[in-house]
Amino acid sequence: NAGVTQTPKFRILKIGQSMTLQCAQDMNHNYMYWYRQDPGMGLKLIYYSVGAGITDKGEVPNGYNVSRSTTEDFPLRLELAAPSQTSVYFCASSPSGSFAGIQYFGAGTRLSVL
Amino acid sequence: AQKVTQAQTEISVVEKEDVTLDCVYETRDTTYYLFWYKQPPSGELVFLIRRNSFDEQNEISGRYSWNFQKSTSSFNFTITASQVVDSAVYFCALSERGKLIFGQGTTLQVKP
Repeated sequence: NAGVTQTPKFRILKIGQSMTLQCAQDMNHNYMYWYRQDPGMGLKLIYYSVGAGITDKGEVPNGYNVSRSTTEDFPLRLELAAPSQTSVYFCASSPSGSFAGIQYFGAGTRLSVL
Repeated sequence: AQKVTQAQTEISVVEKEDVTLDCVYETRDTTYYLFWYKQPPSGELVFLIRRNSFDEQNEISGRYSWNFQKSTSSFNFTITASQVVDSAVYFCALSERGKLIFGQGTTLQVKP
């Protein structure tokens, strides 16, 4: 039971570099989400997807891009890394996009931008 | 705007004590769901409970219990006879059309 898998677990980037955070789920969930968690704060939604080929912005999308070519994968792209993007990133999936849907989370990617 | 407030930033208790984590929310929706998630030191978020706005019955699951009061917009979480393994960050969340609004989290430390 893999669930939601995120890679890498840790990464250090230099300012201006780019990278892609990978997220894959094997539960055949249509809905997928990317969150960031800053120290002492709750999670904030960056982007979400309601199915392959459909994505939309969340609360804090600036500086990020996403794509959803398959049901299983939902990568998050940082184009020009900035120190403000130092955070822990969580990917989640849900079988339902309704307000009742339980979201299942990956283990997170800890990113530092120096 | 929807909002979730967990006023307790950190709580420290000794093993076997009971502890209550508070959660207060704001929403204009008449139908909504509330959630509690646990984030242990390993980092992943684990779903604990979901409650809809029409069901104000308290719920007990082993040492865990939840008290949902619509009149005070609160959804509090109590751990009875706490254990060291309960040490974690606990998040309360409110749903908004499938998107979760999280509180800031409460860090619970249970000392042996």
